[in-house]
Amino acid sequence: DTQMTQSPASLSASVGDRVTITCRASQIISSNLNWYQWRPGRAPNLLIYAASSLHIGVPSRFNGSGSGTDFTLTISGLQPEDFATYYCQQSYRTPYTFGQGTRLEI
Amino acid sequence: QLQLQESGPGLLKPSETLSLTCSVSGGSIKSTTYYWAWIRQPPGKGLEWIGMIHYTGNTHYNPSLKSRVTISVDTSENQFSLRLSSVAAADTAVYYCARPTYYDSSAYGHWGQGTLVTVSS
Repeated sequence: DTQMTQSPASLSASVGDRVTITCRASQIISSNLNWYQWRPGRAPNLLIYAASSLHIGVPSRFNGSGSGTDFTLTISGLQPEDFATYYCQQSYRTPYTFGQGTRLEI
Repeated sequence: QLQLQESGPGLLKPSETLSLTCSVSGGSIKSTTYYWAWIRQPPGKGLEWIGMIHYTGNTHYNPSLKSRVTISVDTSENQFSLRLSSVAAADTAVYYCARPTYYDSSAYGHWGQGTLVTVSS
């Protein structure tokens, strides 16, 4: 299986800040990397697909980059609704695998 | 608008079989493009991909669960199902069904609300 490692595990920030979350794959996964936002009691919400493409309806303050094994999710100008947990997911080969999550706290 | 809805028992005893159904509305399950997936999230933990199915019946399973998992599809009812045998406490989780977006066949842009399944004696 392709292991996905996110860092940091948790992150504290303030409204208006810029934050970066990193995801590293144990094998090359090309650009087959997706990012999700999750809030308790809700289903995950797709933010970024194919490493850098913004899912429809997602604000432009979310930005994804990377290819191969190293990827980043950057959120610029944090809004109150952005405080949540973020997961990366590789979709290059099955079984698809997720990172362990990064909790973004106020 | 596509909607997915999970249904099934919320409480099981160890060794029983988990059976969940995902009902699809606002779109046909008979799409050549998509594989329909099951994903779960144990309380306080991360997401785990269980497997996926094409409407033709072709499946891919997570090897960690493969010996216990069966995913099936019922095109006449526009739904697909998950069976997980010999459940244990470690199978307690919120179970989601999901479908990729139309522009990336492996990024899950559509999710059900999730259903909590608890395994307890």
